[in-house]
Amino acid sequence: NAGVTQTPKFQVLKTGQSMTLQCAQDMNHEYMSWYRQDPGMGLRLIHYSVGAGITDQGEVPNGYNVSRSTTEDFPLRLLSAAPSQTSVYFCASSYSGRMNSPLHFGNGTRLTVT
Amino acid sequence: AQTVTQSQPEMSVQEAETVTLSCTYDTSESDYYLFWYKQPPSRQMILVIRQEAYKQQNATENRFSVNFQKAAKSFSLKISDSQLGDAAMYFCAYRSQRRGGGADGLTFGKGTHLIIQP
Repeated sequence: NAGVTQTPKFQVLKTGQSMTLQCAQDMNHEYMSWYRQDPGMGLRLIHYSVGAGITDQGEVPNGYNVSRSTTEDFPLRLLSAAPSQTSVYFCASSYSGRMNSPLHFGNGTRLTVT
Repeated sequence: AQTVTQSQPEMSVQEAETVTLSCTYDTSESDYYLFWYKQPPSRQMILVIRQEAYKQQNATENRFSVNFQKAAKSFSLKISDSQLGDAAMYFCAYRSQRRGGGADGLTFGKGTHLIIQP
């Protein structure tokens, strides 16, 4: 089972460039989400989706866009990268949007913006 | 807003000994879930254990157990018979249900770096 797959594993961008972090899951999970992890900060929620066509903002949504056109995929878009977006990004999914449904995490993408 | 506090940035324990990691949280909700996640150097986030707030019995998973004190809003993780493979960052996390359906995302603490001394 592939689980939650994130690509790429590493990325370097220049300020102002755009890119999309890909996330795909093969577990037919309803709920998908994006987190960023910064040193000494834990993980913070960026955006999440409770099903295809439905997205909502988390704690730190500014500078990021998402869409959910299929159940499997939940890409995260940076329209104009800034050094403050240097971070490790995690995609996570769960079977349902119920609070007892455990989250399954991808292996993360390390993004550096110069 | 909910907050999760892990007051120990780093802990060290001898192999085979027992260690307890602390976590406190703040919420006005009555029902919620609490989790401990482990993040080894590989960066993978691994679920260690979870606890529903309405269950009085403390959760246990093999060598891992929790001490859940709902009134004190405390959720500590005890690791017994520590092994070298337990060395990792440990994150405490909270999740509640939104009214009208759907869950909030996880709210994480800042983590505790656990070192296992051979």
